[in-house]
Amino acid sequence: EDQVTQSPEALRLQEGESSSLNCSYTVSGLRGLFWYRQDPGKGPEFLFTLYSAGEEKEKERLKATLTKKESFLHITAPKPEDSATYLCAVRADSGSARQLTFGSGTQLTVLP
Amino acid sequence: GAVVSQHPSRVICKSGTSVKIECRSLDFQATTMFWYRQFPKQSLMLMATSNEGSKATYEQGVEKDKFLINHASLTLSTLTVTSAHPEDSSFYICSARDRGTYNEQFFGPGTRLTVL
Repeated sequence: EDQVTQSPEALRLQEGESSSLNCSYTVSGLRGLFWYRQDPGKGPEFLFTLYSAGEEKEKERLKATLTKKESFLHITAPKPEDSATYLCAVRADSGSARQLTFGSGTQLTVLP
Repeated sequence: GAVVSQHPSRVICKSGTSVKIECRSLDFQATTMFWYRQFPKQSLMLMATSNEGSKATYEQGVEKDKFLINHASLTLSTLTVTSAHPEDSSFYICSARDRGTYNEQFFGPGTRLTVL
C-alpha cells in the first residue's frame, strides 16, 4: 500500500527564516511526486511535479528536491504570504495509476 | 497555468434536497476528473474518478446512488449530492488531469456545502 508521510505537521517561522518541509514516501514504482499549496477555504494550487531521484525544481522562494525515499520543499527567506498548508502527493504503479495518494500536509505560518 | 473552475463556490440547502456542483477545465482537455471531499484540518479524501463518456469509479465506502457523477465532455464533470443530509456538509473539490501533460493534475477552488 502506498504511504506518504509529511513532517512536521505544523511549522512556525519568522519572516526570513529559511527551513524545509519533508515528505517521505513508500510506493511501488513512483510515477510522480507532486507538491501543492492550499490556502484556507480554497482548493490546492499546483506547485511542482518531480519524477526521478536527483531532480530539483524551483519557483520563487520554493525549491523541491527528490530522492528515492523522500522529497523536501525548501523555503528560502519566507514571507508572511507563504503561510499555507503544503501538501505532498504521489502517483505510483501500484493501485490505480490515475490516483494521487496525499500526505496529511504541513501547516506553515510565517510571522512578520 | 491550467485552470479548473467550480460552481457554486458555496451552497446552503435544506435537508432532503439535491445539489449539483459543476467542475470545468477552462484551458485544457481532461480525460480524467476526480472528486474529493475534505473535512476541517484534514487532507483530501478521494471520492470517485470519472473518465469522459464512461461511468465513474467510486472509492470504497462512497455511495454511488448518493453522489452522482457525470462526465459528459472533456471539459465538464458534475457531482450531484442527492437527498442531502447534514452529515454531507463538507468541502468538495474537483480535480482534472491534463490530457496533454498526462501526469499533472490541477484542482478547482472547492465548493462549501452546508446542509441545514
